[in-house]
Amino acid sequence: QSALTQPASVSGSPGQSITISCTGTSSDVGGYKYVSWYKQYPGKAPKVMIYEVTNRPSGVSDRFSGSKSGNTASLTISGLQAEDEAHYYCSSYSSASTLVFGGGTKVTVL
Amino acid sequence: EVQLVESGGGLVKPGGSLRLSCAASGFTFSRHSMHWVRQAPEKGLEWVSSISTSGAYIYYADSVKGRFTISRDNDKSALYLQMNSLRAEDTAVYYCARLEYAAFELGGAFDNWGQGSLVTVSS
Repeated sequence: QSALTQPASVSGSPGQSITISCTGTSSDVGGYKYVSWYKQYPGKAPKVMIYEVTNRPSGVSDRFSGSKSGNTASLTISGLQAEDEAHYYCSSYSSASTLVFGGGTKVTVL
Repeated sequence: EVQLVESGGGLVKPGGSLRLSCAASGFTFSRHSMHWVRQAPEKGLEWVSSISTSGAYIYYADSVKGRFTISRDNDKSALYLQMNSLRAEDTAVYYCARLEYAAFELGGAFDNWGQGSLVTVSS
């Protein structure tokens, strides 16, 4: 059950777009549509931003979008805002009947 | 309003045991698979265990298999995690989470989380 690979940090200026990658294998990210993304502020519980690779839960801004190509999923944040500064985690179902998270990416708004 | 409230965390010595509880309200508990996710201090999220709606299907991370036991009581809308043979590396905030958008027990996303319960394993 190896963690999915995410960049440790990504930064951007207000109004810009940034993309966070999440790389796994054909046994998890590449093999299933059950990839989710979570946003977490320090000391708070995570919040789901994307489920099933591309779907946004009700109430989540359309500035957040998800995609997948092969074994890599991506989260794109458009029109970056100060409130987007947080940690972001991807997760995926795995063929071993487990769930696996990425190591997390700290997004900094410059 | 969906609420998940964990309890039972605390300080325990290596090799000791602890039982976490999660009280659920604001939704039909028996219709959702339930899960435990933990986060070590200054670290990322780690999935720990999952249980199906009826309790018939149970899943564990390799790191806790054989030491932790997940269970649920649908009549009480409660989720539990019995943790035995605790190790220093089990030190973490443990979150109870509900799965939504679910095709099956592990095929969805966690749409509601508790506030977390801190477990510290130290001598």
